[in-house]
Amino acid sequence: GQSLEQPSEVTAVEGAIVQINCTYQTSGFYGLSWYQQHDGGAPTFLSYNALDGLEETGRFSSFLSRSDSYGYLLLQELQMKDSASYFCAQVPGGYNKLIFGAGTRLAVHP
Amino acid sequence: EAQVTQNPRYLITVTGKKLTVTCSQNMNHEYMSWYRQDPGLGLRQIYYSMNVEVTDKGDVPEGYKVSRKEKRNFPLILESPSPNQTSLYFCASSIASGTDTQYFGPGTRLTVL
Repeated sequence: GQSLEQPSEVTAVEGAIVQINCTYQTSGFYGLSWYQQHDGGAPTFLSYNALDGLEETGRFSSFLSRSDSYGYLLLQELQMKDSASYFCAQVPGGYNKLIFGAGTRLAVHP
Repeated sequence: EAQVTQNPRYLITVTGKKLTVTCSQNMNHEYMSWYRQDPGLGLRQIYYSMNVEVTDKGDVPEGYKVSRKEKRNFPLILESPSPNQTSLYFCASSIASGTDTQYFGPGTRLTVL
């Protein structure tokens, strides 16, 4: 079946750069999305890569490499408010369902 | 204000007592879906709907039912809840598909005793 693998936890300090990886086994899919979820809140959309390469949105960037079966979310100039869980997600080819990774909990320390 | 609403936000019930969690969106979105979130498992899609009267199973549909009689509403029905359905549930909507930006409701925390 389809699955997306993410590290369960990542720790970083304010002002640093952190990369959250997402690897998958799906051979065909429609792109890779990223969502952020703060404790007690609902997930919110961050970024989407339909094609290989880098997408930049402010301090956040997302990258996709279909040939390497992985993507990542890059967070720059980390702030305390970036402490949250981050999920990658994809729609497998031939389907309309949406599959999420288990999520990466990011802790930003002073 | 564009939003997805869910009711109730919190619910404690007992095994076997049928319940419905409502979901409504005011963005004229075609795609709606339900997820459950459990620690360490992320978000798992229960059911999704591409449009009115068009629904399909996600990854964990067992024990759940849905209906899509109107574009804006997508209720989740648990005919006979069991303790393993204790979870945090999210409804979401998007313009047309799973690849579009998903807008999530605030969540419903369900406890089945």
